[in-house]
Amino acid sequence: AQRVTQPEKLLSVFKGAPVELKCNYSYSGSPELFWYVQYSRQRLQLLLRHISRESIKGFTADLNKGETSFHLKKPFAQEEDSAMYYCALRPPFGNEKLTFGTGTRLTIIP
Amino acid sequence: ETGVTQSPTHLIKTRGQQVTLRCSSQSGHNTVSWYQQALGQGPQFIFQYYREEENGRGNFPPRFSGLQFPNYSSELNVNALELDDSALYLCASSLAGYGYTFGSGTRLTVV
Repeated sequence: AQRVTQPEKLLSVFKGAPVELKCNYSYSGSPELFWYVQYSRQRLQLLLRHISRESIKGFTADLNKGETSFHLKKPFAQEEDSAMYYCALRPPFGNEKLTFGTGTRLTIIP
Repeated sequence: ETGVTQSPTHLIKTRGQQVTLRCSSQSGHNTVSWYQQALGQGPQFIFQYYREEENGRGNFPPRFSGLQFPNYSSELNVNALELDDSALYLCASSLAGYGYTFGSGTRLTVV
């Protein structure tokens, strides 16, 4: 069975401080991993996917297969980063079902 | 290019009733998925349609059913509503897996 765990429901960080949102997954194989973000009063949108290996809005996420983790990081938090963040997993081919974690609400303190 | 549009935005139904939620896919997308998001939870996969056929289903009972039309728009039908069906229902469209575009959702309240 596939599962995504986000251990922190709430996370508060001061502006300018580093941010790390934790995500651990359970899947027998090599899944695709994603981070989705939902800003206040906006729809859920893709932030980044591990196969792209890109940095979006200063965020990066490294897939660690040994620890089955896909933590989201940003070196210097900005106020506009305050949002709900969801980690999600998808099997590598065929079925496009996304399995989401329960989400972490990130609040940046000015 | 239009995004994913869901209707209605809010709905209140009585236990035992039936409901139909609608979704217009983003232009050019041929796959639509439906998710249920209960309060404080992440979205849970209900089912997915590709070219008008269901090609994936999550752990939801048969009273949750759907349709996809030739223009790739979609409906989610829920029969015999229960109080626990109260949630935000999200529709997402994609082109064969290359990124999902989510709608704003329909907030269903069952009383």
